[in-house]
Amino acid sequence: SSELTQDPAVSVALGQTVRITCQGDSLRSYYASWYQQKPGQAPVLVIYGKNNRPSGIPDRFSGSSSGNTASLTITGAQAEDEADYYCNSRDSSGNLLVVFGGGTKLTVL
Amino acid sequence: EVQLVQSGAEVKKPGESLKISCKGSGYSFTSYWIGWVRQMPGKGLEWMGIIYPGDSDTRYSPSFQGQVTISADKSISTAYLQWSSLKASDTAMYYCARHLYQDTAMEIDYWGQGTLVTVSS
Repeated sequence: SSELTQDPAVSVALGQTVRITCQGDSLRSYYASWYQQKPGQAPVLVIYGKNNRPSGIPDRFSGSSSGNTASLTITGAQAEDEADYYCNSRDSSGNLLVVFGGGTKLTVL
Repeated sequence: EVQLVQSGAEVKKPGESLKISCKGSGYSFTSYWIGWVRQMPGKGLEWMGIIYPGDSDTRYSPSFQGQVTISADKSISTAYLQWSSLKASDTAMYYCARHLYQDTAMEIDYWGQGTLVTVSS
């Protein structure tokens, strides 16, 4: 099965831009999707596909992909963006299996 | 409105069996894959497996194959996650989640509220 690798922790100053990355072989074939999880809450989808946001997700969230790396960018980070962020994608086996990255703890300073 | 409502928290002893549930509403339950995700205390998300309620096609992560059973009863729009013999290491929050698949992507667009399973002697 595939693996997705994320930096464990990233910090950003309030109002600045931050990029959270996710690396893995499966990302050469499949787009990543991104989830935000705040303490005590279920994850929430924030980016999916090439660069799509579900209804209700602020447009400061965007996604991109190059080679084996997917990125989630928050442009103008807000205090409420402090959370854990997870990427996932289809496994490169092509058998509908899914893999998650280890997660990135985002701190907004 | 799409909703996934999970059964309540459970406290079990090692060796006991358990079946937790996830009831879908607000959409065609038989037309979407629904899966389970584990989150151990203070840890990340782990994908366990999925089921297509329309025909009960089931896929498991290699890490969970043989450790749990995923099933669904489409007559009551409910998916299940089952253990035959719990271990202390099964202590975790378990989320059910609706999966959408496309040719080059997948995403989980709806999540249940989570079921906390505690296994302790």
